[in-house]
Amino acid sequence: DTGVSQNPRHKITKRGQNVTFRCDPISEHNRLYWYRQTLGQGPEFLTYFQNEAQLEKSRLLSDRFSAERPKGSFSTLEIQRTEQGDSAMYLCASSPPGTGQPYEQYFGPGTRLTVT
Amino acid sequence: GDSVTQMEGPVTLSEEAFLTINCTYTATGYPSLFWYVQYPGEGLQLLLKATKADDKGSNKGFEATYRKETTSFHLEKGSVQVSDSAVYFCALSDLDTGRRALTFGSGTRLQVQP
Repeated sequence: DTGVSQNPRHKITKRGQNVTFRCDPISEHNRLYWYRQTLGQGPEFLTYFQNEAQLEKSRLLSDRFSAERPKGSFSTLEIQRTEQGDSAMYLCASSPPGTGQPYEQYFGPGTRLTVT
Repeated sequence: GDSVTQMEGPVTLSEEAFLTINCTYTATGYPSLFWYVQYPGEGLQLLLKATKADDKGSNKGFEATYRKETTSFHLEKGSVQVSDSAVYFCALSDLDTGRRALTFGSGTRLQVQP
């Protein structure tokens, strides 16, 4: 399977704990995005990488959130001191290189986080 | 800022009925428009897209036309099937603002009954 993969698929954690999610994009895609989706809502943008550079961050990405993409391959999203409001589906997407047209973003299956 | 508004669901239809899901947008620049679909237990998939005014995107019998004058991108299908039951998201990308992120609507759940 050459699609976007995310691990783990589900994570249950206690409030105050740190969690880390991983995203592996489609191999030739240099752009990678993180979104958050809460129940009954559409995905909300969190951050965007082009290769290893983090070029865009939403104001939703508080200082408890950090994302990395070392070597421009896989990416990790860490949430420190989790809160119940962090419970959501975290989606990763990737898109191929190119300029101009907003190439299609391919989404992974998501990581569902539950903070108890 | 940019935003997308979709009709609320759920939309419940009988098989072979005509489907319309309304979507309107506001954008700073000249956005590209998308419909994504999320089948139960699966990830988001691009259904169709349009990048300029009067373009019609189509796929799997679904169509949507980019209407700049009404800032709309309504999704239509002439005859729905049970297998079309899913959540549909309208989205835009506004490269004129320098942003590559997608802005999504809240989604519309479609339930098709046999």
